[in-house]
Amino acid sequence: GQNIDQPTEMTATEGAIVQINCTYQTSGFNGLFWYQQHAGEAPTFLSYNVLDGLEEKGRFSSFLSRSKGYSYLLLKELQMKDSASYLCAVRAENYGGSQGNLIFGKGTKLSVKP
Amino acid sequence: EPEVTQTPSHQVTQMGQEVILRCVPISNHLYFYWYRQILGQKVEFLVSFYNNEISEKSEIFDDQFSVERPDGSNFTLKIRSTKLEDSAMYFCASRPGGGGDQPQHFGDGTRLSIL
Repeated sequence: GQNIDQPTEMTATEGAIVQINCTYQTSGFNGLFWYQQHAGEAPTFLSYNVLDGLEEKGRFSSFLSRSKGYSYLLLKELQMKDSASYLCAVRAENYGGSQGNLIFGKGTKLSVKP
Repeated sequence: EPEVTQTPSHQVTQMGQEVILRCVPISNHLYFYWYRQILGQKVEFLVSFYNNEISEKSEIFDDQFSVERPDGSNFTLKIRSTKLEDSAMYFCASRPGGGGDQPQHFGDGTRLSIL
């Protein structure tokens, strides 16, 4: 089966650093994505990892360990606008031309407090 | 920046009626997807479409669902006879060809309410 786990909720303080973890067990692996989703809005792309290691993009970094089936999203210098749900998604096996659909976790709702 | 557009933003339909959700993917993208998100739950894959045919579909995408790309720009999802449990936000997504690092870009969604 396909399973992606992430914490349901997290709270952090403005200006701080927060790490959101994601573990996955999927049939095949072809990349891991992090998306941000504000309530009632579309998911927006944050980061992509397919090789082990850290990818840094401004205030956001994402880490992947394929052997452990583990990723995290690190948000630095938190701002109030970072309050949102953060979705971990795995692209499964490459079927034909679709490059595999995305399997989403339930998302982690992050609340940033002043 | 180009974006995926979806219409309508909100659709209210009586149970048993047919509904068509419309999407205009980003113009140079080659892969198209529909996802749904029931209120408070995770985003779930429905179907992917490439080269004018379905590439993959999930268990959710049963005979009541169909997709079509009637022209060079639109991508539609049809639900033939809606059920109460079809109430959800439906997201269309698209991605370009090329490398596997290309993310899927999501539209703002259509909120479907079945009465």
